[in-house]
Amino acid sequence: GAGVSQSPRYKVTKRGQDVALRCDPISGHVSLYWYRQALGQGPEFLTYFNYEAQQDKSGLPNDRFSAERPEGSISTLTIQRTEQRDSAMYRCASSLLPGTDTQYFGPGTRLTVL
Amino acid sequence: GQSLEQPSEVTAVEGAIVQINCTYQTSGFYGLSWYQQHDGGAPTFLSYNALDGLEETGRFSSFLSRSDSYGYLLLQELQMKDSASYFCAALNSGGYQKVTFGTGTKLQVIP
Repeated sequence: GAGVSQSPRYKVTKRGQDVALRCDPISGHVSLYWYRQALGQGPEFLTYFNYEAQQDKSGLPNDRFSAERPEGSISTLTIQRTEQRDSAMYRCASSLLPGTDTQYFGPGTRLTVL
Repeated sequence: GQSLEQPSEVTAVEGAIVQINCTYQTSGFYGLSWYQQHDGGAPTFLSYNALDGLEETGRFSSFLSRSDSYGYLLLQELQMKDSASYFCAALNSGGYQKVTFGTGTKLQVIP
């Protein structure tokens, strides 16, 4: 069965460039979450959606980060004018219903900003 | 703010039992989840407690005490494949789905 997929799996970019990270959740899952995970740390919440509505973006570090889920399925996390400190693993997760306990994580996108 | 504290590392012998503790300070606490993450892999869901007490799922059990702001994950009959990082994660109440993950515990199972 299809799980959560993310693309690209690896992204190397130069400082100042914009990047777009894609997440394709499990089909039919209402909720979609974005996290950032540093090596040896737990996932850090960035933002989440129910259907196409962004419910909370309090975890986005600054206004260079944005996310959308226009049709309530695929989501894109965009980082503008990337900086070296943005280098991390970016993970997406989805859950069947809002507030359910189980989140299914994707393989992540490893972003490296040179 | 919200925080969940876990021991950073635990070592246990194959076949033994190990307990990984999690203490939390969160507002609007709703429940506590546990996730396993192998090196290079994605977190995978293990267990969830919304109510006080013990939840058992095969070799894994999870416990929650709201009055003590404390929970633990119990792994029995340890296998080498259980070597991984384990994270507790707090869910917030009122349908608020922001999930806060703990600092993580790296479990090493030795022969």
